[in-house]
Amino acid sequence: DAGVIQSPRHEVTEMGQEVTLRCKPISGHDYLFWYRQTMMRGLELLIYFNNNVPIDDSGMPEDRFSAKMPNASFSTLKIQPSEPRDSAVYFCASSTGTGELFFGEGSRLTVL
Amino acid sequence: AQSVSQHNHHVILSEAASLELGCNYSYGGTVNLFWYVQYPGQHLQLLLKYFSGDPLVKGIKGFEAEFIKSKFSFNLRKPSVQWSDTAEYFCAVKGRSGAGSYQLTFGKGTKLSVIP
Repeated sequence: DAGVIQSPRHEVTEMGQEVTLRCKPISGHDYLFWYRQTMMRGLELLIYFNNNVPIDDSGMPEDRFSAKMPNASFSTLKIQPSEPRDSAVYFCASSTGTGELFFGEGSRLTVL
Repeated sequence: AQSVSQHNHHVILSEAASLELGCNYSYGGTVNLFWYVQYPGQHLQLLLKYFSGDPLVKGIKGFEAEFIKSKFSFNLRKPSVQWSDTAEYFCAVKGRSGAGSYQLTFGKGTKLSVIP
């Protein structure tokens, strides 16, 4: 079975540009999570969805960040406008209700 | 609020040494417990999990963890580490509270460096 699929794997952009990260969860998983990982702050939960509905977005750093899940097989995380401090690896993960998360390989974002 | 504490930020061991990484959590109810591993440049992968039953859980690559309910602990162990175990290890706890938030909490991680 395919795991969680993220794209792009690497993104380099300039400050002020819009960035869209994409995620396809494992089929049948009803939870989807977006995490951000940096050396300074470690692993941070940004937002999670249950059955396509955003449940907790308290980790979203500011209004420049938004996430959507239009259907059970696709989610996006958008940053507009991007800033250098947004540089990080963004992980998507999916799960059933047990707490076991299956992570994608991550999207490494560099904002110049 | 639920919390997870990993006692060591960075552990350095020589090959063949024994490993124990501490994990303590605070949560008043029943929990599911996890250890994840992140090899350099890779994503987090499940190492082992505990839901119920035998509190001594065996995972992949010779790792094991013991759930001690009275101590709210879920320490990770390996009798003899290898250079390939160099990675960051994350403990995670999910409270089984039924309806409501998902309540999955990660510890801050422990970096393990194994010296050949």
